[in-house]
Amino acid sequence: DSGVTQTPKHLITATGQRVTLRCSPRSGDLSVYWYQQSLDQGLQFLIQYYNGEERAKGNILERFSAQQFPDLHSELNLSSLELGDSALYFCASSVLTSGAFTDTQYFGPGTRLTVL
Amino acid sequence: GQQVMQIPQYQHVQEGEDFTTYCNSSTTLSNIQWYKQRPGGHPVFLIQLVKSGEVKKQKRLTFQFGEAKKNSSLHITATQTTDVGTYFCAGYTINDYKLSFGAGTTVTVRA
Repeated sequence: DSGVTQTPKHLITATGQRVTLRCSPRSGDLSVYWYQQSLDQGLQFLIQYYNGEERAKGNILERFSAQQFPDLHSELNLSSLELGDSALYFCASSVLTSGAFTDTQYFGPGTRLTVL
Repeated sequence: GQQVMQIPQYQHVQEGEDFTTYCNSSTTLSNIQWYKQRPGGHPVFLIQLVKSGEVKKQKRLTFQFGEAKKNSSLHITATQTTDVGTYFCAGYTINDYKLSFGAGTTVTVRA
């Protein structure tokens, strides 16, 4: 158990719908990352938040958005869902030592999204 | 942008044999990390290498960071069924907050 929690574990929805994925980081971790993992693909970095502020952006679609709340939990919002958005969505957290690029990321169990 | 490439994509290994997976970056990395994802699981941190030419061992796993800090390798000796999974390398470039993951090497083991 990494200490990172994600809900829900599974999500099945229809095209055009909107869903929200939730992540609670490890106690003490200030940074949250979101990744998308499709079948036979690696981890695609979507976005990172640090202490409530966006810190880095990856290949995140405009239909997707995220935020990190004062209690440090984060939500990833996916809207106008398409079949191709079906994937495993991981949240990870790290301490993010200031000025250092050596943070270990601790991954949650993931949310499996199926768009029908 | 930075790209981290991993080869091979798939590795089928006879139990007891050795194998190596390689990671190459188009740009110099400040460090390289390796993660393992078991089937149905989530990525789990294995190790981090920071210094040029660094070599670290974890039991049957040997990790190397290239002298130019652009490549890395993971060598597993005497493969066991517990080694099954996908191994990802990931690196930060200097002044880049994004940890770039390779596509992973998926390892299967024949008993």
